[in-house]
Amino acid sequence: KQEVTQIPAALSVPEGENLVLNCSFTDSAIYNLQWFRQDPGKGLTSLLLIQSSQREQTSGRLNASLDKSSGRSTLYIAASQPGDSATYLCAVPDSGGGADGLTFGKGTHLIIQP
Amino acid sequence: GAGVSQSPRYKVAKRGQDVALRCDPISGHVSLFWYQQALGQGPEFLTYFQNEAQLDKSGLPSDRFFAERPEGSVSTLKIQRTQQEDSAVYLCASSFGGTANTEAFFGQGTRLTVV
Repeated sequence: KQEVTQIPAALSVPEGENLVLNCSFTDSAIYNLQWFRQDPGKGLTSLLLIQSSQREQTSGRLNASLDKSSGRSTLYIAASQPGDSATYLCAVPDSGGGADGLTFGKGTHLIIQP
Repeated sequence: GAGVSQSPRYKVAKRGQDVALRCDPISGHVSLFWYQQALGQGPEFLTYFQNEAQLDKSGLPSDRFFAERPEGSVSTLKIQRTQQEDSAVYLCASSFGGTANTEAFFGQGTRLTVV
């Protein structure tokens, strides 16, 4: 069964810093990996989807990389802003197949200090 | 609207009461998923529909949980005889295809509190 781990569990940094969030998964036979953002009391907002054939995806100040063979992904946030404060979750399809739900990590709770 | 819509946003139920949670997926999305998220945890998979067919219900925690999507669009998650351990946020997600190939979009969730 796929397991997803996110490190660190929590992170607090001053505004303007670049930072890296880590995600690891136990079964490397994944089709894709998705990063989400969750604000308190809200649902999940999709940030980036990386297909297994890709090594990275970029959206604005966000860059996600995927190393499938080592079971790792990173989310890089450049020039962090207070509005980036949220919980960041990574997720992979449960068994690598097409009809399965996602397995999530527990998330990284990020606070950007003004 | 264009996104996944869930109702109610908040639900307080007395222990033993039955509840029904509704999800309106994005129009045209074939796949619909329900997840349960406990406080401080990531969402956990409950069940999956492809159109009206429930293809996977392996994540439903007990036979008190039941989900349906009779016309392949709106879905309802029903919890019978609610217990305190059912307190959580219930998230619905939809995608155009399966999660292997396409992006999943989530609703705002329903926060269920059983007292």
